[in-house]
Amino acid sequence: RKEVEQDPGPFNVPEGATVAFNCTYSNSASQSFFWYRQDCRKEPKLLMSVYSSGNEDGRFTAQLNRASQYISLLIRDSKLSDSATYLCAVRLDDKIIFGKGTRLHILP
Amino acid sequence: NAGVTQTPKFQVLKTGQSMTLQCAQDMNHNSMYWYRQDPGMGLRLIYYSASEGTTDKGEVPNGYNVSRLNKREFSLRLESAAPSQTSVYFCASSEAGSLDTQYFGPGTRLTVL
Repeated sequence: RKEVEQDPGPFNVPEGATVAFNCTYSNSASQSFFWYRQDCRKEPKLLMSVYSSGNEDGRFTAQLNRASQYISLLIRDSKLSDSATYLCAVRLDDKIIFGKGTRLHILP
Repeated sequence: NAGVTQTPKFQVLKTGQSMTLQCAQDMNHNSMYWYRQDPGMGLRLIYYSASEGTTDKGEVPNGYNVSRLNKREFSLRLESAAPSQTSVYFCASSEAGSLDTQYFGPGTRLTVL
């Protein structure tokens, strides 16, 4: 089993809809959790860290479920500019391990 | 404040040639990383340096060497390039700690013919 797994998509979602992604991780000792956004032919950039109690940043909500070993990202009222690949990442000791990413296309 | 810089941005090599990819960060971060990204494979860790003076292998270290020259700079060397090393290479840095964020450079697109 891969250490960090994501549905590759693509998710094709109409503008204004709500979309959610999950990401599972295999090592229960994982310490920190993140969502990154990567635009085509660009470097990944941090979207948000994921805290144990869950956290929200505008239209974005991240949740952590340690018992089931997954993190989630919810995007409300999606915009055309949300089209990108979303990478989840998990820190284990000195390393940060990334999932392969989920592609999101927001349709006008 | 440039963040993480990488040189070159693009490179074409012939099989067997060698080259060094340069990375520098100006955020005084302790940890630095080299990843490669291939279609369908995601970001895979090649080597990392948790602090100045230390380096460790990641998931795919074969065919690469690294040098943590000082706190700012972390270079990746291909001694004898192979077509399988055609990829986009990203350097990243982070402050040590449990909620550290990785900051990525713009990437180097390498083609090995």
